[in-house]
Amino acid sequence: TQLLEQSPQFLSIQEGENLTVYCNSSSVFSSLQWYRQEPGEGPVLLVTVVTGGEVKKLKRLTFQFGDARKDSSLHITAAQPGDTGLYLCAGVTSGTYKYIFGTGTRLKVLA
Amino acid sequence: NAGVTQTPKFRILKIGQSMTLQCTQDMNHNYMYWYRQDPGMGLKLIYYSVGAGITDKGEVPNGYNVSRSTTEDFPLRLELAAPSQTSVYFCASGSSSYNEQFFGPGTRLTVL
Repeated sequence: TQLLEQSPQFLSIQEGENLTVYCNSSSVFSSLQWYRQEPGEGPVLLVTVVTGGEVKKLKRLTFQFGDARKDSSLHITAAQPGDTGLYLCAGVTSGTYKYIFGTGTRLKVLA
Repeated sequence: NAGVTQTPKFRILKIGQSMTLQCTQDMNHNYMYWYRQDPGMGLKLIYYSVGAGITDKGEVPNGYNVSRSTTEDFPLRLELAAPSQTSVYFCASGSSSYNEQFFGPGTRLTVL
């Protein structure tokens, strides 16, 4: 069974702090996505990374795909209360059509 | 475009009852997925489809069935509801296996 483990599971920080969320697996992924989910809603895509070593920036969010395409990180600079939510990574392995979702990181940013 | 719609939003079932969760997308996507999400957890894939007439099992298919007779619709059937199936169910669609998945608003199911 493929597993995508995220750490930390929970994170509560003050507004303005920086944080990093990790997504790790023993499997190699063709592509990896990060989603954010708010209570009572479905996940919404933040970014897709496909190349080993790739770095993508989305305003204050920086996403990195590991060189071996087995892991990824999400770094948030100067977190804001609007960043609060459940962050999920999801990977697709070559030759399959199905996503494996990570265990999730629940972030709370306090004003 | 409505995107991905799911009905019902909420449902309470008794043990042993059956029901169908409906999912419809209007984006002409070939790929459709059913996930379940237990409280505070990530999503687990139940079934998926890469096109009309084609379905396959995901990580946790036991106790569920699906069909895909049209591109738009991908219903999920629970035949004999069990308390372990209490969860939030999300349907999603995408244009390919590498592209963004668009999620519906979810169905919250409780089995008592």
